[in-house]
Amino acid sequence: DAGVIQSPRHEVTEMGQEVTLRCKPISGHNSLFWYRQTMMRGLELLIYFNNNVPIDDSGMPEDRFSAKMPNASFSTLKIQPSEPRDSAVYFCASSLVAVNQPQHFGDGTRLSIL
Amino acid sequence: QQPVQSPQAVILREGEDAVINCSSSKALYSVHWYRQKHGEAPVFLMILLKGGEQKGHDKISASFNEKKQQSSLYLTASQLSYSGTYFCGSGYALNFGKGTSLLVTP
Repeated sequence: DAGVIQSPRHEVTEMGQEVTLRCKPISGHNSLFWYRQTMMRGLELLIYFNNNVPIDDSGMPEDRFSAKMPNASFSTLKIQPSEPRDSAVYFCASSLVAVNQPQHFGDGTRLSIL
Repeated sequence: QQPVQSPQAVILREGEDAVINCSSSKALYSVHWYRQKHGEAPVFLMILLKGGEQKGHDKISASFNEKKQQSSLYLTASQLSYSGTYFCGSGYALNFGKGTSLLVTP
């Protein structure tokens, strides 16, 4: 079975550019999570969706960040304009909607903003 | 508020045991444990839902003390493959601790 698929795997871009990260959750999963991982701050939750609806975006660092989930099989995380401090590994994870369900992580997108 | 993990790092020889602790200042209703190897995604190990619950997976087990708001992960007779960073997470949309780096040496 296909796991969570993220693209691109690596992204290097210059400060000020728009960055779009993509995620395809596991088929049948109805919760989707976006995390950011850095050495300093660890693994932080940015936003999560249940049944394509954003439930909690309190972890989104600022207005430069936005996330959408137009349908059950696709989500995007956009940064506009990007800054060097946005450099991190961004993970997408999916699960079934229930507290006793594990989250399945994608391989992540390693983002470098120059 | 994120859970606090201890120790931050531990080095073991193959075959030795280790305990990783996870505590929270807020009530814990469930605890997830994940392991992440360098350059890879976190991988699910186990979920504990009830106070006092204990689970095992191979030679890795965990306990959950709801009253004390803490969970512990036990690695018994460690193997080289156990090396990685272990994270505990609380809540439905996981609030992760900073992680415990575990290195098992031959």
